[in-house]
Amino acid sequence: SAVISQKPSRDICQRGTSLTIQCQVDSQVTMMFWYRQQPGQSLTLIATANQGSEATYESGFVIDKFPISRPNLTFSTLTVSNMSPEDSSIYLCSVGAPDADTQYFGPGTRLTVL
Amino acid sequence: AQSVTQPDIHITVSEGASLELRCNYSYGATPYLFWYVQSPGQGLQLLLKYFSGDTLVQGIKGFEAEFKRSQSSFNLRKPSVHWSDAAEYFCAVLTGGGNKLTFGTGTQLKVEL
Repeated sequence: SAVISQKPSRDICQRGTSLTIQCQVDSQVTMMFWYRQQPGQSLTLIATANQGSEATYESGFVIDKFPISRPNLTFSTLTVSNMSPEDSSIYLCSVGAPDADTQYFGPGTRLTVL
Repeated sequence: AQSVTQPDIHITVSEGASLELRCNYSYGATPYLFWYVQSPGQGLQLLLKYFSGDTLVQGIKGFEAEFKRSQSSFNLRKPSVHWSDAAEYFCAVLTGGGNKLTFGTGTQLKVEL
């Protein structure tokens, strides 16, 4: 399976600021995904990021709040904008590789907003 | 709408005992099903998956799962639990045209020594 890294692994941020999370894969992949895991909860898909096209957002998530970039086939970023304490979560990226129907996850970014 | 139900929020077993974690899904077509494990402070690790064929699938770390279409279930089993198996376990189904993973709420496993 692909090796996925995320930066930062954790961060503590102030209300009203923004944080950009990076996801790096060791091989080229078509599809990358961003998930949110709120404290004590399951994972919820935020958006699907395909290289060369706009990200596709799930219901309840908007581009202004969670802008995503996908500049190439090995890298993506998720920005959490104008943060509030409700944004405190673990954010995980995943990739569909080596087969598109199986997703492998990065280690996650643990975000705390004060 | 597609959904995944994990009825047990918490389960405690003794080390060496057998384990079964329940998962029920709701999906109109043939489902692609997964079990993931999340250790404290870690990301998700794929344990096993079912796409088609033999309904009993083997995974890593000695886990297996059985797909039962008639019961819409995909229960995870392990014959003898180790203390290192303590973690949260998530069942998931692939939906949305093959791109979207829908997760259950997870089962927190505690292993007593």
